Amino acid sequence: AQSVTQLDSQVPVFEEAPVELRCNYSSSVSVYLFWYVQYPNQGLQLLLKYLSGSTLVESINGFEAEFNKSQTSFHLRKPSVHISDTAEYFCAVTITGGGNKLTFGTGTQLKVEL
Amino acid sequence: EPEVTQTPSHQVTQMGQEVILRCVPISNHLYFYWYRQILGQKVEFLVSFYNNEISEKSEIFDDQFSVERPDGSNFTLKIRSTKLEDSAMYFCASSELSSYNSPLHFGNGTRLTVT
Repeated sequence: AQSVTQLDSQVPVFEEAPVELRCNYSSSVSVYLFWYVQYPNQGLQLLLKYLSGSTLVESINGFEAEFNKSQTSFHLRKPSVHISDTAEYFCAVTITGGGNKLTFGTGTQLKVEL
Repeated sequence: EPEVTQTPSHQVTQMGQEVILRCVPISNHLYFYWYRQILGQKVEFLVSFYNNEISEKSEIFDDQFSVERPDGSNFTLKIRSTKLEDSAMYFCASSELSSYNSPLHFGNGTRLTVT
């Protein structure tokens, strides 16, 4: 079975600073990887995904994540965060044939301070 | 943009009582899901539903749980006899297809508190 580890439960950062949210996965078969974001009092929204092709994927609001097969990682980065990026971020994985049955990490609370 | 809606946002119930959590998926979606998140723990898959049948369920989804699409719009999760450990945030989701390439759209969740 696959699993996802997000080691950082909380990441405080000042506005305009860079941030990296870490995600490592474990699976014996090929995976598809996702980052979801949950803003306060809202549902989870897909931020970006890696399915195949280029290992670097980007979102429309400046986040990017790089799939690293050798390190089994899919870290999320943003070069300059904004106060509006304050949210909880979840890394998730599914496997070939797994469809939309996602395995999530425990989430990382990103708190952007002025 | 169409969205998945869940009601109620917060439900408090006593142990042993039955609860029904309600969801209205996006209208042209065919696949429906329930996930839950116990406080401080991971978001966990419970069940997927397609064509009026359960297509997959997790070990968590035992006999006390059931799902139903009673009409053309609602998708419900019933817990027959709630336990303290059922306290969690329950998320409904829907997708057009079951493929990983068809993203899940989640509702805002129902926080269930069992006392």
